[in-house]
Amino acid sequence: EVQLVQSAAELRKPGESLKISCKGSGHTFNNYWIGWVRQMPGKGLEWMGIIYPDDSDTRYSPSFQGQVTISGDKSIRTAYLQWSSLKASDTAMYYCARSSRYKIRLGAFDIWGQGTMVTVSS
Amino acid sequence: EIVMTQSPATLSVSPGERATLSCRASQSVSSNLAWYQQKPGQAPRLLIYGASTRATGIPARFSGSGSGTEFTLTISSLQSEDFAVYYCQQYNNWPPGTFGPGTKVEIK
Repeated sequence: EVQLVQSAAELRKPGESLKISCKGSGHTFNNYWIGWVRQMPGKGLEWMGIIYPDDSDTRYSPSFQGQVTISGDKSIRTAYLQWSSLKASDTAMYYCARSSRYKIRLGAFDIWGQGTMVTVSS
Repeated sequence: EIVMTQSPATLSVSPGERATLSCRASQSVSSNLAWYQQKPGQAPRLLIYGASTRATGIPARFSGSGSGTEFTLTISSLQSEDFAVYYCQQYNNWPPGTFGPGTKVEIK
């Protein structure tokens, strides 16, 4: 079965760092674009950025550039989303999702992880 | 950055009725448009890609149409499990592959 399994929910304080993960199985994970999507409480979906694990090519939405870092480790079929200094406004559900296997173009997100809830509170 | 808009924000429909949801792009996205369904507490699920192709396992009552800047998702006969929030997303000009704000389909 093709799936993306995300790390567990996190509770952090403002100013702390955090790295959450998304592990793929059942498909050639390294040769698909893997994206990250934010959903703040009661709100819609926001496209954050995307990585191609095979060569770590990474693209960011201008809204998230400089706010987060997306990375990957192809040896363990895992993508990451990290923050160096969390803010209360980072409180949200974060999803990873699989897109196209073609580097030159993007596709729809056909496989989604279960989501990681990040809560930032003092 | 392409801006996606959806209408209406909320659609009240009786079970068995037809639902028509609209999505508009601020500039042409060709047919690179997807529709997703999200139920409370769940991850989104892909329904339609390429503007009109149903994803694997999606019932035939879901259909998509349109190209360029105007798109429609039609649910021919609403079932109880179809009451959810629906998002469109363009993946033609990226980053970012912007999502629309969503349409909530609720029971009338």
